[in-house]
Amino acid sequence: AQKITQTQPGMFVQEKEAVTLDCTYDTSDPSYGLFWYKQPSSGEMIFLIYQGSYDQQNATEGRYSLNFQKARKSANLVISASQLGDSAMYFCAMREKSGGSYIPTFGRGTSLIVHP
Amino acid sequence: DVKVTQSSRYLVKRTGEKVFLECVQDMDHENMFWYRQDPGLGLRLIYFSYDVKMKEKGDIPEGYSVSREKKERFSLILESASTNQTSMYLCASSLFQRGNEKLFFGSGTQLSVL
Repeated sequence: AQKITQTQPGMFVQEKEAVTLDCTYDTSDPSYGLFWYKQPSSGEMIFLIYQGSYDQQNATEGRYSLNFQKARKSANLVISASQLGDSAMYFCAMREKSGGSYIPTFGRGTSLIVHP
Repeated sequence: DVKVTQSSRYLVKRTGEKVFLECVQDMDHENMFWYRQDPGLGLRLIYFSYDVKMKEKGDIPEGYSVSREKKERFSLILESASTNQTSMYLCASSLFQRGNEKLFFGSGTQLSVL
């Protein structure tokens, strides 16, 4: 079973609109962390946002917010006021404790295209 | 600026060759990781290391080995390259600190095995 599931291979959004990218996860570790990364066509991986499993409030970073629903094991990324530069692959990741370290596992990604 | 450096951006090798992919980080991070990225499959963990000379298998270790002789350097080795190892390889590092395990990535190596 996949630990991180991103069900949307591709998404389209109009510039200036908000978009939600879905992510569900599965873990038995009570202390886990969730990340979102952006990968533009240049290939670099850009960290966007982090949510710890014990964090009470949803994480926000500028136009990015993480809609964390623990009971549903859901960690959706919300991008407000989309810009053309937001067109990229977006990866959800979870880190959980494994042996002596924290291991990040990635989803398959969602390709976001922002239309003018 | 923090940095993870991968030795090659593009690499072309022949089937059966031994291939070394090098990764160096300057952040004194304990953890280092090797992922491969294929379209539609996301990033899959090959190997990771949480200390010098320590290594652990990830999800897809077959056909690969690693070496970590110094804290800053983590090498991925393809003992006998095969065409199904054509892929983008990403190295990453992070601190061993709960709540602060953000990954820092290198720019990737696109490996083609002919």
